[in-house]
Amino acid sequence: KAGVTQTPRYLIKTRGQQVTLSCSPISGHRSVSWYQQTPGQGLQFLFEYFSETQRNKGNFPGRFSGRQFSNSRSEMNVSTLELGDSALYLCASSFQTSGRATIYEQYFGPGTRLTVT
Amino acid sequence: GNSVTQMEGPVTLSEEAFLTINCTYTATGYPSLFWYVQYPGEGLQLLLKATKADDKGSNKGFEATYRKETTSFHLEKGSVQVSDSAVYFCALVDTGRRALTFGSGTRLQVQP
Repeated sequence: KAGVTQTPRYLIKTRGQQVTLSCSPISGHRSVSWYQQTPGQGLQFLFEYFSETQRNKGNFPGRFSGRQFSNSRSEMNVSTLELGDSALYLCASSFQTSGRATIYEQYFGPGTRLTVT
Repeated sequence: GNSVTQMEGPVTLSEEAFLTINCTYTATGYPSLFWYVQYPGEGLQLLLKATKADDKGSNKGFEATYRKETTSFHLEKGSVQVSDSAVYFCALVDTGRRALTFGSGTRLQVQP
């Protein structure tokens, strides 16, 4: 079974621009989460989508948004980029039913390395 | 809120040495606990997990036991290899929030 894929792998943008990152989860996984990884703040949760609905959101400004499509693929968007948005953005997928899961295993993609200049 | 504390690295060991990476957590309820590994230039790989007290997760020679009384989940391996060089992250999930909370990561360097 193919793993989580993310595109593009590397991206260079200028301050003030916007960017869209894409994530394709493992086949059959309906939950997709996004994380930001930086040397200073470590790994921080951005948001989680399930069945095209955002279920959880981390403590990030409204410039960070996302969506999920009916095939479970997800995109995240960052508008008005700032230098501090330079990071590795990781997508993770998980198999879940719509009810409470007793085990919550997340499988990560290779990430998109975003550099803002 | 939830938090995870890991020992600071880097941890430098010789091949075949014994490895321990300490991890303690603060959480309400009974979270599930995980260890992830990140090799250079890659994403995170799930290494092992434990979902309740006294559970022992194991994989590829690595082990960790869920200790509720000490709120710990220390990672151990009896004999490390050069190929184990990576950054190791301890994490917990609050099922109510379905989001992983990570420790700061511990870099392991194994020398031949």
